[in-house]
Amino acid sequence: GAVVSQHPSWVICKSGTSVKIECRSLDFQATTMFWYRQFPKQSLMLMATSNEGSKATYEQGVEKDKFLINHASLTLSTLTVTSAHPEDSSFYICSARDLTTDNTEAFFGQGTRLTVV
Amino acid sequence: GQNIDQPTEMTATEGAIVQINCTYQTSGFNGLFWYQQHAGEAPTFLSYNVLDGLEEKGRFSSFLSRSKGYSYLLLKELQMKDSASYLCAVTDSNYQLIWGAGTKLIIKP
Repeated sequence: GAVVSQHPSWVICKSGTSVKIECRSLDFQATTMFWYRQFPKQSLMLMATSNEGSKATYEQGVEKDKFLINHASLTLSTLTVTSAHPEDSSFYICSARDLTTDNTEAFFGQGTRLTVV
Repeated sequence: GQNIDQPTEMTATEGAIVQINCTYQTSGFNGLFWYQQHAGEAPTFLSYNVLDGLEEKGRFSSFLSRSKGYSYLLLKELQMKDSASYLCAVTDSNYQLIWGAGTKLIIKP
């Protein structure tokens, strides 16, 4: 299957700092990228959907000024957690889909475990 | 509203068979996915059904009935490594993925 590379796998940062997470589709064009957050023992929670070259669409309750999403190319999307706080500590996962084809499978990155201290 | 229902947790014995059910009510339907997720890892793709019937892939099979809004994932010859959460997800008419909460499967020796 297609490969989505997410970096970093884990990061520890101080409260108040910003963290950038990258998500790259390595062998296909990701017309749409999805960013999820997952707290322990809970399912995936969609944070936002981004289409290449457009502004991201955020789910209700997700602060767009805090979670900055950039999807400037068909192979790269970034999520920046600004002014991180301990409650932002979570597992962040990106997934990519090419909705121009018949294959609507979502390919996932490896996930990023963020710990804010 | 859109809704995906699956059991929260199931327990099975190593070597046995287990069936994880998923029912859905969505705005349109463009396919149903099953993903496996081990703790601390991203989900991995298991199966995709868009037509009614059974899709078999090794020890795992997935069934779909669109008229009933129902799917199941069947796991045979259970192994300890199958202990994980199993996520059901449906693509709606807008090609948005609607996720179930996941079923935690516990395998006992």
